[in-house]
Amino acid sequence: DQQVKQNSPSLSVQEGRISILNCDYTNSMFDYFLWYKKYPAEGPTFLISISSIKDKNEDGRFTVFLNKSAKHLSLHIVPSQPGDSAVYFCAASDPLNSGGSNYKLTFGKGTLLTVNP
Amino acid sequence: NAGVMQNPRHLVRRRGQEARLRCSPMKGHSHVYWYRQLPEEGLKFMVYLQKENIIDESGMPKERFSAEFPKEGPSILRIQQVVRGDSAAYFCASSPSAPLWTEAFFGQGTRLTVV
Repeated sequence: DQQVKQNSPSLSVQEGRISILNCDYTNSMFDYFLWYKKYPAEGPTFLISISSIKDKNEDGRFTVFLNKSAKHLSLHIVPSQPGDSAVYFCAASDPLNSGGSNYKLTFGKGTLLTVNP
Repeated sequence: NAGVMQNPRHLVRRRGQEARLRCSPMKGHSHVYWYRQLPEEGLKFMVYLQKENIIDESGMPKERFSAEFPKEGPSILRIQQVVRGDSAAYFCASSPSAPLWTEAFFGQGTRLTVV
């Protein structure tokens, strides 16, 4: 049972345009969501997070939107740059599943973003 | 994330051998988390450790897998009698205190191949 789904395995955009990466989840107990970026042969790097009490969080070129009723979140990258080309993972935590904490993240399968110059 | 050191980066083992994966957390970090990424999958939680304590190992297979984080030295993930299905990328992450992913960093991973 995949609780975090990234239905687009890949996405290609032109440099300077907006990249929108989507993520759906099924567990209504998830209360904290994160996006990670991963280059080949490297570990995931934290990008941005959002708590379920918010519907938007912004950090520079990156904005995460959360729609709790639809169990959907998205990551917007504006403007996209060639260096943004990587695999992006959506992750979520359910505090009830980790003793009230959030160490146990559930990841999606990732979306490969390619930004073309 | 260069501060979390994992070694070896690549490990090849024959079926039935043992695999030992090491993770040195960032300086000052006392919490370590191991995650596994099977081919074409997302990362999956395996175990959460603090110094000399296993906090939660619910994500680890009951047999053949064990983890430790001694008072001195790196955290070790040990897989006995490896099988082909153990082939994956194993990532560890560390954080300074209670799980706070905005302050946690992943290592570069160990890619285990079982032949």
